[in-house]
Amino acid sequence: GENVEQHPSTLSVQEGDSAVIKCTYSDSASNYFPWYKQELGKRPQLIIDIRSNVGEKKDQRIAVTLNKTAKHFSLHITETQPEDSAVYFCAASLQGAQKLVFGQGTRLTINP
Amino acid sequence: SQTIHQWPATLVQPVGSPLSLECTVEGTSNPNLYWYRQAAGRGLQLLFYSVGIGQISSEVPQNLSASRPQDRQFILSSKKLLLSDSGFYLCAWSVLGDTQYFGPGTRLTVL
Repeated sequence: GENVEQHPSTLSVQEGDSAVIKCTYSDSASNYFPWYKQELGKRPQLIIDIRSNVGEKKDQRIAVTLNKTAKHFSLHITETQPEDSAVYFCAASLQGAQKLVFGQGTRLTINP
Repeated sequence: SQTIHQWPATLVQPVGSPLSLECTVEGTSNPNLYWYRQAAGRGLQLLFYSVGIGQISSEVPQNLSASRPQDRQFILSSKKLLLSDSGFYLCAWSVLGDTQYFGPGTRLTVL
C-alpha cells in the first residue's frame, strides 16, 4: 500500500525566515496531496492541497510543490511568524482508496 | 455549510470500563467517516473508516470497534479499556475519500 515519509520531524527557524517541509510517497497512482496544520491541543486543519495535474500552488505565504517523477511534494512557508508554530502533516490519497495516508508530522517552531 | 461534532470533549475512565464516543456530521449526505487516534506528541493513526451505513473498515486490530447506525453518525466503542487506549480521538469526514475535515476531538485518559 501507500507509504508517506515526512522530513524533518522537527524544524526551528527564526521569525521572518522561510521553512520547508518535505514528503515522499511510494505509490505513483496517488493524485491528491493535502497539508494540515495542528496547533497544540486542537484538531488538524487543512491549509493547502494540490492535485497531480498541478505542479505548484500558492496561498499567500504558503505554497506547495509537487514532483510526480520523483514522487515528492513540499510545503513552503515564507516570512514565518510566531503563529506558524505548530505540527504540520502531509498526506497522500491513493486514487479510489477512500482514505488518506499521513506522514509522521513535523513540529515547526518559530523563534522570535 | 458542513459541521462535525464530537462528544464528549474530555473523558477520564478507569481501566476495564466501557467506552462510547460519538461523532455526527451536519450539512452533507453520505460522507465517508473516519476515526483516528493520536497519542501524545505523535502522528495520526487511522483506526476505522466507513463509506456508508453499516460499512466499517478496520485498519488496526485492537481493543476498539466502530459502528455507523445512521448516515451521519459514527460511534467508537470499547468493552474494556486499556491504559494504552489513552489519547486524542479525532473523527473526520470527507466526500469520496478526498479532503478530510476533522472534528474537535475527544481527549481520553484511561487510569
